[in-house]
Amino acid sequence: ETGVTQSPTHLIKTRGQQVTLRCSSQSGHNTVSWYQQALGQGPQFIFQYYREEENGRGNFPPRFSGLQFPNYSSELNVNALELDDSALYLCASSLGGALSTDTQYFGPGTRLTVL
Amino acid sequence: AQSVTQPDIHITVSEGASLELRCNYSYGATPYLFWYVQSPGQGLQLLLKYFSGDTLVQGIKGFEAEFKRSQSSFNLRKPSVHWSDAAEYFCAVGAGNTDKLIFGTGTRLQVFP
Repeated sequence: ETGVTQSPTHLIKTRGQQVTLRCSSQSGHNTVSWYQQALGQGPQFIFQYYREEENGRGNFPPRFSGLQFPNYSSELNVNALELDDSALYLCASSLGGALSTDTQYFGPGTRLTVL
Repeated sequence: AQSVTQPDIHITVSEGASLELRCNYSYGATPYLFWYVQSPGQGLQLLLKYFSGDTLVQGIKGFEAEFKRSQSSFNLRKPSVHWSDAAEYFCAVGAGNTDKLIFGTGTRLQVFP
């Protein structure tokens, strides 16, 4: 039991809409990372938040944005949805910090389908 | 740029047989290396990790992996596979000053009774 939860489990949206995905990290974990896993692919790093500030970003456009809150919850927001945004979105929490080698604990993911 | 290659997309083994899943990485500095397992509908579970020291790393569920710098490899092994090991396996490298992980494309393991 990793203690990382995500909601909702599944979501269907149409192209052009906006979506918010939620993650609840393990208590005490200061870092949350978000990954996109397209079908048949490995997860791709979207961005990371450490103590409520963005701490690294992958090759994703600005319409992917995030928030981290003091209560160990976080959000991933995607605007102007495109068909290619259909994927499993994973969040991972860790104790975190710069040069961290802490283990990342993954949630079960949110499956987003864009029609 | 950092990258991870898992050459085998799909592997099928019989229950009780040995297993080796291949992973090659490209990274300029000393890598942090990980193996994760993903069962259908589940998130990723860490099997083992290598940061430094002994190049043979023991993990959970009877898995081990060996770091070979000269071959840029971090292959995952298990001496005797169980049917419950059927899943998708991902190798990943930790990239520098964040917890960012770079994953390979995964190897799907199928186990026959």
